[in-house]
Amino acid sequence: AQSVSQHNHHVILSEAASLELGCNYSYGGTVNLFWYVQYPGQHLQLLLKYFSGDPLVKGIKGFEAEFIKSKFSFNLRKPSVQWSDTAEYFCAVNGNNRKLIWGLGTSLAVNP
Amino acid sequence: DGGITQSPKYLFRKEGQNVTLSCEQNLNHDAMYWYRQDPGQGLRLIYYSQIVNDFQKGDIAEGYSVSREKKESFPLTVTSAQKNPTAFYLCASRKDRDPYNEQFFGPGTRLTVL
Repeated sequence: AQSVSQHNHHVILSEAASLELGCNYSYGGTVNLFWYVQYPGQHLQLLLKYFSGDPLVKGIKGFEAEFIKSKFSFNLRKPSVQWSDTAEYFCAVNGNNRKLIWGLGTSLAVNP
Repeated sequence: DGGITQSPKYLFRKEGQNVTLSCEQNLNHDAMYWYRQDPGQGLRLIYYSQIVNDFQKGDIAEGYSVSREKKESFPLTVTSAQKNPTAFYLCASRKDRDPYNEQFFGPGTRLTVL
């Protein structure tokens, strides 16, 4: 079955700490992978995406993610978080019938 | 500006009443989606529509209904049959012929049933 697993449900960091959010997927076809972010009171928006080519993908606001095919993973990273990164982060993979399969989300709180 | 609008932002209804949530997009996208977001449960697909006058059930369609009479509009009705309707509802759309399936989201409607 198609699925996405996000390892951390709640993460609390201090400003300037490094961030890594885990995402593993299960899908048999060609994968398109996404990280979306939902800042408090704002739209869900795309942070970054992987379709093909370089497995290290750079997104907005200094985020990056690495696609490791052998591990079925697409972990999100940021070397130094800011208070403004406080948000909920969702990993998703393309599924059948042009649908997206979503992880349960990770709530990140960054303390100033 | 192109985008997706959802109205209202907050909606209160009495138990047993049907309620319709609006979703409009001016992105000229063919596909539209309705999700329900509950704390700790991610996004769950309610209904989706690939083209006008056609739609399919998602994972949690029971107690909901939709219509797609116009390309830009995809209203969701939460019926009295939905056992736990209080939630945050998100509408999304996808660009036609986009091979990568990126979805664009509206601001959401928070429905509270009293």
